[in-house]
Amino acid sequence: AQSVTQLGSHVSVSEGALVLLRCNYSSSVPPYLFWYVQYPNQGLQLLLKYTSAATLVKGINGFEAEFKKSETSFHLTKPSAHMSDAAEYFCAVSLFYNQGGKLIFGQGTELSVKP
Amino acid sequence: EPEVTQTPSHQVTQMGQEVILRCVPISNHLYFYWYRQILGQKVEFLVSFYNNEISEKSEIFDDQFSVERPDGSNFTLKIRSTKLEDSAMYFCASRESPDGSYEQYFGPGTRLTVT
Repeated sequence: AQSVTQLGSHVSVSEGALVLLRCNYSSSVPPYLFWYVQYPNQGLQLLLKYTSAATLVKGINGFEAEFKKSETSFHLTKPSAHMSDAAEYFCAVSLFYNQGGKLIFGQGTELSVKP
Repeated sequence: EPEVTQTPSHQVTQMGQEVILRCVPISNHLYFYWYRQILGQKVEFLVSFYNNEISEKSEIFDDQFSVERPDGSNFTLKIRSTKLEDSAMYFCASRESPDGSYEQYFGPGTRLTVT
């Protein structure tokens, strides 16, 4: 069965500092991996996705993530945090072939950005 | 830009009552989903729907739940007899393709409060 683990339910960084949000997955078959962001009182918005092409994936708002098969990880990074990055971030996995196409989410990481 | 819409944004109901949550997926999408997020917990898959039938459902999606696409645009989730533990944010999502690499687009959610 597939699963996703996000290390750290809360991460706090200073404005301008590096953002690193950790995600590890478990899957018996090659997965597709996604990072979604949720701003307060809003739905989930896709930041980026890994679909078996380049292992370093660039997304919106300056975020990127690297797929490391040997470490079963897909950590999200941003070189310099902005106040507007404060939100909840979810890592999710979907299977290469999955007729239903469901997403399995991690527990989420709340990012706080201090001035 | 096309978006998934959900109504109502907030629903308060008494235990034992029936509720219907409504969603309008993106018009050319063929795969539809419901997820829920209990406060402070992860986003959980409930059900996927394609070609007017359920593709997959989770163990949460018991006989109290049903989904329907009553016309060409709406996609509904019905909870027959609500329980306190059904209180959660319910997200609708849609996707264009069965390919698991395709993005799921999420609506803003309906917050269901069962008293």
